Amino acid sequence: NAGVTQTPKFQVLKTGQSMTLQCAQDMNHNSMYWYRQDPGMGLRLIYYSASEGTTDKGEVPNGYNVSRLNKREFSLRLESAAPSQTSVYFCASTPGVVKETQYFGPGTRLLVL
Amino acid sequence: KQEVTQIPAALSVPEGENLVLNCSFTDSAIYNLQWFRQDPGKGLTSLLLIQSSQREQTSGRLNASLDKSSGRSTLYIAASQPGDSATYLCAVEAGANNLFFGTGTRLTVIP
Repeated sequence: NAGVTQTPKFQVLKTGQSMTLQCAQDMNHNSMYWYRQDPGMGLRLIYYSASEGTTDKGEVPNGYNVSRLNKREFSLRLESAAPSQTSVYFCASTPGVVKETQYFGPGTRLLVL
Repeated sequence: KQEVTQIPAALSVPEGENLVLNCSFTDSAIYNLQWFRQDPGKGLTSLLLIQSSQREQTSGRLNASLDKSSGRSTLYIAASQPGDSATYLCAVEAGANNLFFGTGTRLTVIP
């Protein structure tokens, strides 16, 4: 099992450009999550998907959209990137909805100039 | 809103020493608390998960305790090794799909 995979590993964007961060898991997990990690702030939840076909906002959803393409894949889209979106983005998954360990991907480092 | 604090932000210890990392949270209405390890440039790896009804969990040289009423958790690492050097994060689950993270303690174990 590869676990949770993310692409790309690193990306540089100019302000206003768009891009999609990809995430896939091969553990047959129902729930998937997108977080961002910023220095001194800890990880913050952007969006999550409790099951295929559903998505919900987390703590910091503004400027992002998500798609739960199927049970395996959960993508995060920046429609018009801003310097404030420079961060490290992590995807995670859990078997169920609550009370279970989260499994994290290796992260995508995004720099917006 | 749930606030999670980890003090100290950084800690250096000589190899072989036992150590304790601290985590505190402001709202005791939690489902569980998790401790993660993060190596530089990598994702998070779950170490221990303590359900709200439990007081502690153990895995090898690691022992995590939870005191919900006081809003505190500790991660005890016995006989530390240089390979334990990493950032340790705690997170509380305070609602469905609502995980609140601390900013971590960066541990360096000196050979």
